Amino acid sequence: AQTVTQSQPEMSVQEAETVTLSCTYDTSESNYYLFWYKQPPSRQMILVIRQEAYKQQNATENRFSVNFQKAAKSFSLKISDSQLGDTAMYFCALQEETSGSRLTFGEGTQLTVNP
Amino acid sequence: GAVVSQHPSWVICKSGTSVKIECRSLDFQATTMFWYRQFPKQSLMLMATSNEGSKATYEQGVEKDKFLINHASLTLSTLTVTSAHPEDSSFYICSVGSKAKNIQYFGAGTRLSVL
Repeated sequence: AQTVTQSQPEMSVQEAETVTLSCTYDTSESNYYLFWYKQPPSRQMILVIRQEAYKQQNATENRFSVNFQKAAKSFSLKISDSQLGDTAMYFCALQEETSGSRLTFGEGTQLTVNP
Repeated sequence: GAVVSQHPSWVICKSGTSVKIECRSLDFQATTMFWYRQFPKQSLMLMATSNEGSKATYEQGVEKDKFLINHASLTLSTLTVTSAHPEDSSFYICSVGSKAKNIQYFGAGTRLSVL
């Protein structure tokens, strides 16, 4: 069965600094997708970034980038130039190609950006 | 703009009554929608997969007769919490999967409080 693990329940960072959130996963499939979702205090889930497992190049979206290590089954999120609005719960998620769009979520990491 | 509309955002009901939550896909036809439950400071727990025109697929441990799901059209799925009790109080979130983009879009969630 697929699993997603986020080992950092809470993290904090100073505004304008860089922070990295960790995620490891396990799957027996060769084709899958990995996601980072953000859930701010409003509780609306927002897609931050998406990575296709068959692509070696790490995905980037403005200040957000990932370090995808397929062999190690690791998928960390780096947030550069942290902003107060980045304060949120961040969830790592795995979608196997044969799962019919089902997502498996990690436990989440609460990130606080301090002024 | 919003891809998924979820209504209501907050509902308070008396113990023993039933509550219906609606999830609408605004941008595309969705043969599959998902219903999640989230307790405070915890991850999203998949309750069921809603399939258009057929019965929903429930996750292990989720009571089918308690959480009724209807997916009568390609843009609407409903979750009815029947005979609600205080332990059903939680945050319920729906999502719609885009097979073209392999992305799930989430509704804003419904906070259910059962008195």
